[in-house]
Amino acid sequence: GIQVEQSPPDLILQEGANSTLRCNFSDSVNNLQWFHQNPWGQLINLFYIPSGTKQNGRLSATTVATERYSLLYISSSQTTDSGVYFCAVRWNQGGKLIFGQGTELSVKP
Amino acid sequence: DAGVIQSPRHEVTEMGQEVTLRCKPISGHNSLFWYRQTMMRGLELLIYFNNNVPIDDSGMPEDRFSAKMPNASFSTLKIQPSEPRDSAVYFCASSPNIGTGEHYGYTFGSGTRLTVV
Repeated sequence: GIQVEQSPPDLILQEGANSTLRCNFSDSVNNLQWFHQNPWGQLINLFYIPSGTKQNGRLSATTVATERYSLLYISSSQTTDSGVYFCAVRWNQGGKLIFGQGTELSVKP
Repeated sequence: DAGVIQSPRHEVTEMGQEVTLRCKPISGHNSLFWYRQTMMRGLELLIYFNNNVPIDDSGMPEDRFSAKMPNASFSTLKIQPSEPRDSAVYFCASSPNIGTGEHYGYTFGSGTRLTVV
């Protein structure tokens, strides 16, 4: 089956710093989403981005489907950005959303 | 829209007891998914439904687990009998129809934290 790999697995930032999270996937996909799981366990959808670039405030994401990767950019990080960021992809067949193992981000004040 | 609603938020039960988790998807979403999250295995898909019909239950760990979707607005995940290794957070998610070629994002519920002692 399709493999989803995220890097780095852990990241510690000082408040105000910028960061880039990466997601590599092993096969063609027709859906890619980035989620933030906050310290309370809620999974919040950040971006639906099978291709192209999107921005939402301090966050932006780019997916290059032909090269099978996606990047999530966090600028001017805040302590509320802490949590685990998941990349998830859907195959060409079926509706399964396959998750990577996540990047655990900790933003220090 | 109230989003995907799961109940209960927390459940503590004794080994051997039956546990039922509930989910109400977003109105108009045709697909419903049950996921389980553990530290060891991450987020794994247990089963999903399209138009109330189970499409893929290959992720259901064993016969102790069963899921139903009697109508478009309600689904249950049942564990009978429960075991300590079933302790996890169980998420329900819904999305618009996957069969039309139009692919939209998933929305997740807040999860049910299950502890089996």
